[in-house]
Amino acid sequence: EVQLVESGGGLIQPGGSLRLSCAASGFSVRSNYMSWVRQAPGKGLEWVSVFYSGGNTLYADSVKGRFTISRDNSKNTVYLQMISLRAEDTAVYYCARDLTSAWFFDYWGQGTLVTVSS
Amino acid sequence: QSALTQPASVSGSPGQSITISCTGSSNDVGRYNLVSWYQQCPGKAPKVMIYEATQRPSGVSNRFSGSKSGNTASLTISGLQAEDEADYYCCSYGGSDTFPYVFGSGTKVTVL
Repeated sequence: EVQLVESGGGLIQPGGSLRLSCAASGFSVRSNYMSWVRQAPGKGLEWVSVFYSGGNTLYADSVKGRFTISRDNSKNTVYLQMISLRAEDTAVYYCARDLTSAWFFDYWGQGTLVTVSS
Repeated sequence: QSALTQPASVSGSPGQSITISCTGSSNDVGRYNLVSWYQQCPGKAPKVMIYEATQRPSGVSNRFSGSKSGNTASLTISGLQAEDEADYYCCSYGGSDTFPYVFGSGTKVTVL
């Protein structure tokens, strides 16, 4: 059974750093495109970053230079390192799988809430 | 990359059909048949309902159907049921080396 479990969210002050984890089971993260998608309170979905199976990464302009996506194949886990956090980064962060160039998300995690506030 | 445009809300009575539009540009919706639709119930993660504009994943009710014409994709829910009340988001491929996933602004579906 495919499962994605996010962790690492919490309350952090503006300017702080946080690392989110997405532990996958039932498939290999190295063979798929893994993304982070966020949703600010009461707002819509926003794609944040992707780690392609080939190793390339992409970021939305809103997080470029501040967020870094990475992958640990041995732990079958994807990470999102976030630095210089701003109030507008407050959101539920979802990990999602794209079955390698299918260009849609067939599985999502339950999400982890990041709150940036002093 | 701008978000795709969806109506903020759509409503219908049980048994009726409703259609949600999703308007993009020639760089995303108009260029690729790679539009997906997601249903999000309150406090839950999104769930894919349609992919590749018209394809329905196994397990999704055949009351849900998708279509696309030009720069606009649409999701139709037939035989509306109370359980269909949720937020719906479209998403289009926007190019693998630039902005691969462009989401719509979201539509709240209310069953009257």
